[in-house]
Amino acid sequence: GAVVSQHPSRVICKSGTSVKIECRSLDFQATTMFWYRQFPKKSLMLMATSNEGSKATYEQGVEKDKFLINHASLTLSTLTVTSAHPEDSSFYICSAHPQGLAGVREQFFGPGTRLTVL
Amino acid sequence: AQSVTQLDSQVPVFEEAPVELRCNYSSSVSVYLFWYVQYPNQGLQLLLKYLSGSTLVKGINGFEAEFNKSQTSFHLRKPSVHISDTAEYFCAVSTYSGGGADGLTFGKGTHLIIQP
Repeated sequence: GAVVSQHPSRVICKSGTSVKIECRSLDFQATTMFWYRQFPKKSLMLMATSNEGSKATYEQGVEKDKFLINHASLTLSTLTVTSAHPEDSSFYICSAHPQGLAGVREQFFGPGTRLTVL
Repeated sequence: AQSVTQLDSQVPVFEEAPVELRCNYSSSVSVYLFWYVQYPNQGLQLLLKYLSGSTLVKGINGFEAEFNKSQTSFHLRKPSVHISDTAEYFCAVSTYSGGGADGLTFGKGTHLIIQP
């Protein structure tokens, strides 16, 4: 149980285009989903917290107009990288916190999406 | 705000030897502590977590960690490592408020290299 998927797993795009990444909780409902970015040889950095039906909360330094997050349902959150540039190339990882399982205190991670902007 | 320090970026260990990966944290409030493992080209997998209770927690694959509040540490240990343990290990903390979840703050990771 507690499987989180991401699609696509890899994407290559041209500079200036937009890319959408999907994060789905497959066997549970998630009131809260998180988006992280992982740089090469670096740790994961929390970008934003996404709550179903409300606006995402972005961490300091993360451009909300560049990284659009939509949490339209209890099983799906999307991250859209708008007008992507080479410096946006990174590994993007989502995680989901199960609804109604506050005692679990655990997030379940997706496998990540490798974005390369040419 | 919280912060996590993993002082060792890389730890080489011979197969079947014991290993300890160090993690220290800083926070003005109580935190929950986690260790995750990331194998090459894969996502994060939870090794173990400390929420409350016994300060010694056991996880998967023979790993354990001990929470030390006075030293604000949560070091990860394994008595005998295998080649398959070669991976990146991340220590992380989070806080939870009012039943909602907060995002994780990660350390920079420790690359465990098992030598035959």
